[in-house]
Amino acid sequence: QKEVEQDPGPLSVPEGAIVSLNCTYSNSAFQYFMWYRQYSRKGPELLMYTYSSGNKEDGRFTAQVDKSSKYISLFIRDSQPSDSATYLCAMSGLTGANSKLTFGKGITLSVRP
Amino acid sequence: DTGVSQNPRHKITKRGQNVTFRCDPISEHNRLYWYRQTLGQGPEFLTYFQNEAQLEKSRLLSDRFSAERPKGSFSTLEIQRTEQGDSAMYLCASNKGGKETQYFGPGTRLLVL
Repeated sequence: QKEVEQDPGPLSVPEGAIVSLNCTYSNSAFQYFMWYRQYSRKGPELLMYTYSSGNKEDGRFTAQVDKSSKYISLFIRDSQPSDSATYLCAMSGLTGANSKLTFGKGITLSVRP
Repeated sequence: DTGVSQNPRHKITKRGQNVTFRCDPISEHNRLYWYRQTLGQGPEFLTYFQNEAQLEKSRLLSDRFSAERPKGSFSTLEIQRTEQGDSAMYLCASNKGGKETQYFGPGTRLLVL
C-alpha cells in the first residue's frame, strides 16, 4: 500500500460544477498537507497549504484536512475551463528527513465549457 | 523572474550517455530538493540539500545518479550511463526550511533513446 492514495481519474465536469478531489494517507508523521496544480509539461504550482485538521479557503478553493481519518480534500467551486489540469495532493512531516514531499498519483480534471 | 529555474528544459540522449541538469533555487532558500516524475505518476523524492550538505538520498537514487550543491546556491544532478528507464521529468524545488512549502521549477524532461 502506498503512503498516499489519490482517487483515480480522469474526471470531467461541466463549467460551474463543484469539484471534490480526495486523498487518503497512512503515515501518521504527516503534518503538512498541500494541493498542487500541474498543467501539461509544467512543474507543479502550489494551490493550498494547510497544517492540522480543519478547513482553509482561498477564493474558489477550499482545502479540508481530517487527521483522525487520515483524509484530505480539495473543493473547487464554480469550476472554470482554466481549472483543467492535473491536481496532486502532497504531504510532509515536521522537520529534517520528514520534510520531503510525498505525493499522490494525481488526478486529471477536465472542465467542459 | 525570481522563481526556481531549471536548465535545460528538454534533453534527448542516447542510452549510455551521461547527462547533467542544473537547478537555480529562489535566492534566499537554503533547502533544495530533487524529484522525478514519470508519466501518470506524482513526483517522487530523490534527494535534498540544506545549504551545501546533502542530507538525504532516496533508494531511487542509484549509484549512477549524483547530485551536488557546491556553494549552497545552484545544484546539479548528473545521470551516468543513462538507461531508457531514466526517461522522466526531473523537478527541482526549494524552500527556506522544513516547515515551509516547496516551490517547484518547470522541470527538465529527459528522453533516453
